[in-house]
Amino acid sequence: NAGVTQTPKFQVLKTGQSMTLQCAQDMNHEYMSWYRQDPGMGLRLIHYSVGAGITDQGEVPNGYNVSRSTTEDFPLRLLSAAPSQTSVYFCASSYSATRGLNYGYTFGSGTRLTVV
Amino acid sequence: SQQGEEDPQALSIQEGENATMNCSYKTSINNLQWYRQNSGRGLVHLILIRSNEREKHSGRLRVTLDTSKKSSSLLITASRAADTASYFCATPGSGGLTFGKGTHLIIQP
Repeated sequence: NAGVTQTPKFQVLKTGQSMTLQCAQDMNHEYMSWYRQDPGMGLRLIHYSVGAGITDQGEVPNGYNVSRSTTEDFPLRLLSAAPSQTSVYFCASSYSATRGLNYGYTFGSGTRLTVV
Repeated sequence: SQQGEEDPQALSIQEGENATMNCSYKTSINNLQWYRQNSGRGLVHLILIRSNEREKHSGRLRVTLDTSKKSSSLLITASRAADTASYFCATPGSGGLTFGKGTHLIIQP
């Protein structure tokens, strides 16, 4: 099925550990982005990419790294996890950045991360 | 920073009733989008209304946009249990869409 696939669905980390959240799409979308969702805060943009080899920071980028070596994949790395990074993380994509802003995004089902 | 703010934060109605939720935003936009999120799932795009439109329909959904008041409303008619979800408005922002905090809708059987 075409769409955005996120792995893992659940993860528990200890403070200071590192990990990578995976996001893959098979729709040949140029634009991909990461959001975090916290209770009472809605969704906030972490990082985004408008194409392979191009990434940029969103509203809340601190503590996260991204890279975009292929069109299909956009991994999110936590270098040293902190309890403040406990959240639900969503990956979203669209055909292009402009098309996404004007027609909407396709979202993955999310990764629920707990940092203890 | 939040661009859109939904109101109310939570809404509980009986099945069959209509549900209305509102979104206010701060800066001028060229479109406003509504998304639904079922519990434990990702967001699903429902409907988009452009700044030159005042009303748009899609099935049981009706969206209005008042650019002079910087507000939008989403009406779900003849609600069903399956409509229980959180609903978010979103507007184009720097780097991507900016989402509000959402309205949690509960449909009572």
